[in-house]
Amino acid sequence: GQQVMQIPQYQHVQEGEDFTTYCNSSTTLSNIQWYKQRPGGHPVFLIQLVKSGEVKKQKRLTFQFGEAKKNSSLHITATQTTDVGTYFCAGPNGQNFVFGPGTRLSVLP
Amino acid sequence: KAGVTQTPRYLIKTRGQQVTLSCSPISGHRSVSWYQQTPGQGLQFLFEYFSETQRNKGNFPGRFSGRQFSNSRSEMNVSTLELGDSALYLCASRLTGTPNTEAFFGQGTRLTVV
Repeated sequence: GQQVMQIPQYQHVQEGEDFTTYCNSSTTLSNIQWYKQRPGGHPVFLIQLVKSGEVKKQKRLTFQFGEAKKNSSLHITATQTTDVGTYFCAGPNGQNFVFGPGTRLSVLP
Repeated sequence: KAGVTQTPRYLIKTRGQQVTLSCSPISGHRSVSWYQQTPGQGLQFLFEYFSETQRNKGNFPGRFSGRQFSNSRSEMNVSTLELGDSALYLCASRLTGTPNTEAFFGQGTRLTVV
């Protein structure tokens, strides 16, 4: 079946440093979604990418969808303590989604 | 607009018991999916309901079941609880049944089996 992998599993950064998480799918995706889950919270939708090579920005967050539509990345510039949490990518699997294992980001003040 | 509501928020059950969790989706949303989240396994898909029909099912044993009512509210049931069933159970609602719409998650039900 379809698999979605993410690296790294954990990332510890100093506040102000950049952070990137990578998502790879075993199959071509029609779209990819990103979610953020704060500690003790629930996943919250961040963005959806649909087009090959698409790049979208949300303030300090930059999302990219690979040309082959099998990988994606999320880059955070100048991390802040509010960025702490686990970032999940999710790709369609039939009518539903397969979530990656997530990247847990810690930001040291 | 009210968000996704899951009840109860916390549950403690004994091995062998059964449990029923409830999820009320956002008004107008017809798709409800259930996920099990554990520290080691991430978000594992349980099943998805759309218009009272189960459309997809994850790789979980038959002890896990669910249903959806005509008002789109959904319940999931776990029978003969095992210690390994301890987890955060999340439901997510979507407006449509297509995989290009965002999912709105509830706060989850944290189940502890002792």
